Amino acid sequence: NSKVIQTPRYLVKGQGQKAKMRCIPEKGHPVVFWYQQNKNNEFKFLINFQNQEVLQQIDMTEKRFSAECPSNSPCSLEIQSSEAGDSALYLCASSRDISNERLFFGHGTKLSVL
Amino acid sequence: QQKVQQSPESLTVSEGAMASLNCTFSDRSSDNFRWYRQHSGKGLEVLVSIFSDGEKEEGSFTAHLNRASLHVFLHIREPQPSDSALYLCAVSMVSGSWQLIFGSGTQLTVMP
Repeated sequence: NSKVIQTPRYLVKGQGQKAKMRCIPEKGHPVVFWYQQNKNNEFKFLINFQNQEVLQQIDMTEKRFSAECPSNSPCSLEIQSSEAGDSALYLCASSRDISNERLFFGHGTKLSVL
Repeated sequence: QQKVQQSPESLTVSEGAMASLNCTFSDRSSDNFRWYRQHSGKGLEVLVSIFSDGEKEEGSFTAHLNRASLHVFLHIREPQPSDSALYLCAVSMVSGSWQLIFGSGTQLTVMP
């Protein structure tokens, strides 16, 4: 059973709506990654955090997503204005350190944008 | 830009027969290789991580890395029907961005 908890499991939004998903990393893991897995099993790195700080993010994330990992609260990833191409499985992963030798993934949030 | 490709796209084996999956990468300076699997509707489960040329075994999973030929293989010994899943190869460079670059996976079906 995954110790990285993602909610909700499924999310359905209309185009232009906000879509917010949350992730509780494994206890004691300060490093969090978000990945997008599309229907062709192509993975795209979105953003990563160490503690509350953003380490890296791709342009798309910076322009269209809002993400944070506050202390003592779940991490969140929010698409500000959903597009059909955002339909995908969003995976959160956590690790004890940035080298992510042991990277543990949640079950994902499956987003469908109608 | 690192490229990771997996073959075959799908593989069917009989229960107990060795399953071999292939992953090729483009950057010879990569130093961090993992195999994951994903059961339908689930998250990713790490199977084995390997950082130097040679073999590494974790239970019934053996990873074989040959950096010179840009290949990392996964061998599954005596697979069971419960091993039917999507198997993903992921490569990163610790000295780089720590991002994992994933292949698009091999769908393994183990027939009873």
